[in-house]
Amino acid sequence: NAGVTQTPKFQVLKTGQSMTLQCAQDMNHEYMSWYRQDPGMGLRLIHYSVGAGITDQGEVPNGYNVSRSTTEDFPLRLLSAAPSQTSVYFCASSYSEGINSPLHFGNGTRLTVT
Amino acid sequence: GENVEQHPSTLSVQEGDSAVIKCTYSDSASNYFPWYKQELGKGPQLIIDIRSNVGEKKDQRIAVTLNKTAKHFSLHITETQPEDSAVYFCAATSQTGANNLFFGTGTRLTVIP
Repeated sequence: NAGVTQTPKFQVLKTGQSMTLQCAQDMNHEYMSWYRQDPGMGLRLIHYSVGAGITDQGEVPNGYNVSRSTTEDFPLRLLSAAPSQTSVYFCASSYSEGINSPLHFGNGTRLTVT
Repeated sequence: GENVEQHPSTLSVQEGDSAVIKCTYSDSASNYFPWYKQELGKGPQLIIDIRSNVGEKKDQRIAVTLNKTAKHFSLHITETQPEDSAVYFCAATSQTGANNLFFGTGTRLTVIP
C-alpha cells in the first residue's frame, strides 16, 4: 500500500492563479481531511470529509474548495491564490471519523504564492 | 473552538536523558489527545494517544499523562536516542469531531549524541 499520496510536492503560483492539490489514499478510508502548516502555528484544519459525497468546513476554510466524488480522492482547490496561502499542506485519512481510527498523513505539498 | 498550547518550542537533551513536552487545552469537552512526530520533509506520524478516561499510557520509552482537572497532558520520552530528534505535536479533540484535531504549535527536540 502506498498510503496517502500527495502531488505535487512543491508548487509556486502567482497571485490570482488557481490550482488543485491532489490527495489519494489506497487504504479504503472513509474519513479524509486537509491541514495547512505554518511556522509557529501548528497544523490547522481546512476541510474534511466523512465519506464520498460529503464535505464540511474546518477551522480555516476560506479561499479553499474541496469535493469527494470517490472514496480514494480528496482534492483541494485554490480558486485565486493569495500570498497568505503560502504554506505546507497535508492531507490525512483514517478508517472512520472515530477516535479509534488513527490519522495517516501524506508527506505534504509545499506551496509558495508570489 | 479548542485552543492547544505547547511548551517548550525547542528542547535539547543529551542522549540517554529524558525529555518532557507539555500541552494545555481549553475545551473541557475534549476527550482524545494524540501525539505526533514529524521528521524533516515528512508528514506527522502518530506515536501515542490517550483518552480522557485514562490518566497515563506507556509504550516502551514513550509515555503520556493526562490531568483532566488541570486540562493538561504531557509526553515523556526516556532514554532518548538521536533518532528521537524531530518535531513533536500534541493535539486534542472531542468525541463529536474525533478526527478533526486541534494541534499545538510543536516542539523541536534535538538529542545530542
